[in-house]
Amino acid sequence: GAVVSQHPSRVICKSGTSVKIECRSLDFQATTMFWYRQFPKQSLMLMATSNEGSKATYEQGVEKDKFLINHASLTLSTLTVTSAHPEDSSFYICSATRAGLGPYEQYFGPGTRLTVT
Amino acid sequence: RKEVEQDPGPFNVPEGATVAFNCTYSNSASQSFFWYRQDCRKEPKLLMSVYSSGNEDGRFTAQLNRASQYISLLIRDSKLSDSATYLCVVNSNDYKLSFGAGTTVTVRA
Repeated sequence: GAVVSQHPSRVICKSGTSVKIECRSLDFQATTMFWYRQFPKQSLMLMATSNEGSKATYEQGVEKDKFLINHASLTLSTLTVTSAHPEDSSFYICSATRAGLGPYEQYFGPGTRLTVT
Repeated sequence: RKEVEQDPGPFNVPEGATVAFNCTYSNSASQSFFWYRQDCRKEPKLLMSVYSSGNEDGRFTAQLNRASQYISLLIRDSKLSDSATYLCVVNSNDYKLSFGAGTTVTVRA
C-alpha cells in the first residue's frame, strides 16, 4: 500500500514563531500533494494543492504568505506556518496522489497537531 | 450552503444493531463519492467508494441517489470497533475532495 508520513506528529510553539511540517510519500512518487486543516468537530478543509516543482495553489481565504508550501521533490512537501498565532492551532493533514491512479485516490498522512501558546 | 452536509449524530447503538445515516451534497456535477472513517485524533481512512448502482463491502452498504443528491451508509451487525466518525466525501471539481464534518457512531456493548 501507499504510505504517507508526517513529521512532527505533534508540536507546541510560542506565538510569533514559525513551524515547519513535513509530508513524505514513503513508497511512491506523489504527483500531487494536498494540505488540509481540521478544527475540532469540523470537516477537513483543503488549504492548498501542490505539484512538484511548481507553486502551490491556495484555496480562497488561505494566506499564501502565512502558510508557505514547498514541494521540492516527488516525495516531499513542506508546510511552514509563519508567525504562528493561537488561532492557527489545529490538526494539519497532508495527502498525496500517485501517477497511474485516479486523482481522487488520496493517501493521507497521520496528521500534525499544532498548538500555539 | 456547505458542499457536503451530514447529521453529526451521535448515533449510539448496541452491538449487533444496524445503523444508517445519510449525507447530502450541493454540487450536482459531482462524480465521485466516498465514505471515510476517522478515529479520534487520527487521519481519515478510506472505507469505501460509492458507486451509482450501490455497493456492499462486508457489513457496510453504500447507496447513491443522484436525483436527490444524497449518499447513504448502512452498517449491519455493528461491532464495538465500528465506533468512529464517518466522513462523507465528494469530489467538488477536478481532483479536489470536499469533506463533510462527519457522523459519529458509538457502538456500546
